[in-house]
Amino acid sequence: DGGITQSPKYLFRKEGQNVTLSCEQNLNHDAMYWYRQDPGQGLRLIYYSQIVNDFQKGDIAEGYSVSREKKESFPLTVTSAQKNPTAFYLCATTTGRNTEAFFGQGTRLTVV
Amino acid sequence: AQSVTQLDSHVSVSEGTPVLLRCNYSSSYSPSLFWYVQHPNKGLQLLLKYTSAATLVKGINGFEAEFKKSETSFHLTKPSAHMSDAAEYFCVVSALPSLIIQGAQKLVFGQGTRLTINP
Repeated sequence: DGGITQSPKYLFRKEGQNVTLSCEQNLNHDAMYWYRQDPGQGLRLIYYSQIVNDFQKGDIAEGYSVSREKKESFPLTVTSAQKNPTAFYLCATTTGRNTEAFFGQGTRLTVV
Repeated sequence: AQSVTQLDSHVSVSEGTPVLLRCNYSSSYSPSLFWYVQHPNKGLQLLLKYTSAATLVKGINGFEAEFKKSETSFHLTKPSAHMSDAAEYFCVVSALPSLIIQGAQKLVFGQGTRLTINP
């Protein structure tokens, strides 16, 4: 089955810890994206990557980091610098311009 | 710059009655527009998309939307609501990032409309 796999589904983090969210795709799509979703605010772009070994900051990149060492994988690290990390995180891919995005099932991160 | 406004944060209808979810957009060029649905704690699923072909777009689960350039609108409709339609709906416009390599794009999301279906 082709698709996007995000793991884990639920993640708990202590204050001051870094955590990494996984996103793997087998759709052979070039572009990958990370979005953050908060209640009543829609989705906001954190980072995106157009090709391997290249990525660009989105609208809310502060406190986050990414890597794109393989076409299939685009992990997101939430660092201790992110002051309010509790949110629902969604990974997405696209295959070209003006095409729809495909989404993973999301990871819900909670700071405890 | 591109932006999307969903005019209602919450819509409530009775089962079997029509659904109308309103979306206005602004774009400095001819946009691509999408409607997505999200069930609780799930990812987003594409309902339909407009990419400069027919202005009336049919999607999955009986939904359709009409692109009206003069009104800068892309409202989502369904003739008869079903209980399974209860979810969050997002109107999305495709915005071009400043650098385009290999066709990446920036999607701009509306705030979402929560659709409730009453039995």
